[in-house]
Amino acid sequence: GAVVSQHPSWVICKSGTSVKIECRSLDFQATTMFWYRQFPKQSLMLMATSNEGSKATYEQGVEKDKFLINHASLTLSTLTVTSAHPEDSSFYICSAGTTKETQYFGPGTRLLVL
Amino acid sequence: AQSVTQLDSQVPVFEEAPVELRCNYSSSVSVYLFWYVQYPNQGLQLLLKYLSGSTLVKGINGFEAEFNKSQTSFHLRKPSVHISDTAEYFCAVRNQGQNFVFGPGTRLSVLP
Repeated sequence: GAVVSQHPSWVICKSGTSVKIECRSLDFQATTMFWYRQFPKQSLMLMATSNEGSKATYEQGVEKDKFLINHASLTLSTLTVTSAHPEDSSFYICSAGTTKETQYFGPGTRLLVL
Repeated sequence: AQSVTQLDSQVPVFEEAPVELRCNYSSSVSVYLFWYVQYPNQGLQLLLKYLSGSTLVKGINGFEAEFNKSQTSFHLRKPSVHISDTAEYFCAVRNQGQNFVFGPGTRLSVLP
């Protein structure tokens, strides 16, 4: 149980295009999902907290107009990187949980912007 | 604000040797503590967690960790490592109602 999936696992796009990443909780409902970003050889940095039915809460320094988050249902949250640039290339990971204490992480999405 | 320190960025160890990966945190309130493992190009997998109760926590793959409140530490140990344990290990803390804070990670390399 407690499986979180992400789609796509890999995406390569041209600079200036937008990319949507999906995060799904497959066998449980998650009122809150989290989006992280991980640069090579670095730790995870929380970008935003996605709340079902309401606006996401962004961490300081994260551009909410660039990283659009939608939490359409209790099992789906999406992150859209708008007008992507090479510096947005990174590994994006989502997490979701049934309790506040435990989060289950998705397998990650690697984004490469050319 | 809470923070997590993993003093060793890289730990090379020979196969079947014991290993300890260190984690210290700073927080003035009770915390929940976690260790995650990340294999190349993959997401994070929970190894073990401390929420309350016994300070010695056993996890998957033969790993265990001990919560030491006085030293604000949560070191991860394994008595005998395998090649397959080669990965990045992240310590994380979370206050009640707050978000996760991750350490910088420790790369464990198990040598044949």
